Amino acid sequence: DARVTQTPRHKVTEMGQEVTMRCQPILGHNTVFWYRQTMMQGLELLAYFRNRAPLDDSGMPKDRFSAEMPDATLATLKIQPSEPRDSAVYFCASGWGSGANVLTFGAGSRLTVL
Amino acid sequence: SQQGEEDPQALSIQEGENATMNCSYKTSINNLQWYRQNSGRGLVHLILIRSNEREKHSGRLRVTLDTSKKSSSLLITASRAADTASYFCATDGDTNAGKSTFGDGTTLTVKP
Repeated sequence: DARVTQTPRHKVTEMGQEVTMRCQPILGHNTVFWYRQTMMQGLELLAYFRNRAPLDDSGMPKDRFSAEMPDATLATLKIQPSEPRDSAVYFCASGWGSGANVLTFGAGSRLTVL
Repeated sequence: SQQGEEDPQALSIQEGENATMNCSYKTSINNLQWYRQNSGRGLVHLILIRSNEREKHSGRLRVTLDTSKKSSSLLITASRAADTASYFCATDGDTNAGKSTFGDGTTLTVKP
C-alpha cells in the first residue's frame, strides 16, 4: 500500500533546539499538508503546498516555523528555536487534485520540547 | 477557529448499536469528508460527500449532508468494538478548494 512516511516518529528535545520533521508524500500526489494536533487545539492546519508551491501557511507561527518542499518527494517542517508549547503530534498528509482532496495521512511525529 | 464542529464530543455505546455523529460548519463548501483516527495513529479517510449530494453510503457508514443547515451526520450501523476511534469531519471551502479544515472530532467508544 502506498503510504506517507514521516520521520522521526518521536523526538524529545530541549527548549531552544532546532527540530526538523520530514515527510515523504505518496508518489504522484501533488498536495501536501502539515497539521499539528494537541488536546487543547485539535487539528490545526500549519501549511499547505500544491505542486511544491506554498499556498497557505497562515496557521504557522512565522517567527519560528518554516515549511519547504525541496523536491516532490520531500516536505520539511522546521522549528527554530523550539519551545515547550510546540509539543504536539505533527502530521503530514498528501493528496491529489485541487478539488475534492482526499488526504492520506502519515503516522505522525510526536514532538516533546522540555 | 476550526471550520467544522463535531457533536457530541464523546459517545459511548454497546456493540451492535448504531452510532450517530454530527458535524456543523460555517461557510459554503465544495465537499465534506469524514476521517477516523485510532489512538496513536494518523487519520484515515472514510467517505467524501460533495455539496450537491444529500446522502452517501459505504458499507456500514451512511453520511448525510444538509447544505441549508450547514451540517452533516455520520451514522455507523451495527457498531463493533473495532469502530472505537475518534471521528473527524473535514470541509473543503469553496473559496479555497483543496484546503481541508478539520473539526475537533467525536470520540466513539464501542463496548464489547
